[in-house]
Amino acid sequence: QQPVQSPQAVILREGEDAVINCSSSKALYSVHWYRQKHGEAPVFLMILLKGGEQKGHEKISASFNEKKQQSSLYLTASQLSYSGTYFCGTGGGRGSYIPTFGRGTSLIVHP
Amino acid sequence: DGGITQSPKYLFRKEGQNVTLSCEQNLNHDAMYWYRQDPGQGLRLIYYSQIVNDFQKGDIAEGYSVSREKKESFPLTVTSAQKNPTAFYLCASTTNLGNEQFFGPGTRLTVL
Repeated sequence: QQPVQSPQAVILREGEDAVINCSSSKALYSVHWYRQKHGEAPVFLMILLKGGEQKGHEKISASFNEKKQQSSLYLTASQLSYSGTYFCGTGGGRGSYIPTFGRGTSLIVHP
Repeated sequence: DGGITQSPKYLFRKEGQNVTLSCEQNLNHDAMYWYRQDPGQGLRLIYYSQIVNDFQKGDIAEGYSVSREKKESFPLTVTSAQKNPTAFYLCASTTNLGNEQFFGPGTRLTVL
């Protein structure tokens, strides 16, 4: 079942912070986060795994609450380059699943 | 440079025609995927393949077909049975299921 992302859209000024949430009705073992700019391919940001392991490539932080079946992505001191649509993908145990993606959260950062 | 290529970037077809979208990767990844993206819908899985000569249906496989004859290639055919084929199609690959996905640039298909 598709995870639910909130909010659907966020509009910020440069330097402001944002939080994007992802919640699932099923038990979570892992959460993926991707960012997609308009007309381009999604780009990997982070994977969070049950047990606290985290793997990412950018200076973006996230949390993973297994009990609440939720994850949040934290974008601090936002830059213009942060604009895009953020997707979370939720799934099962490591190495044995394909993430199911949410509908996305559109983030617009203004100068 | 390693990566995933999809061609063409834009594709126009007449209704009732089959069309094949290309996806090639040189990352030596075992698993490959096809997603469809419609506005406001996120990414929906069409087909995926973990190894050569084997593939599995995703959530919206009806009207689509794939083949995986080589590790590097995973072409998607949109058949005339697909009732609403106009969409943005993304191909992706991973070293293994559950790991980070690397996406190609996508093909925007418009059926007239």
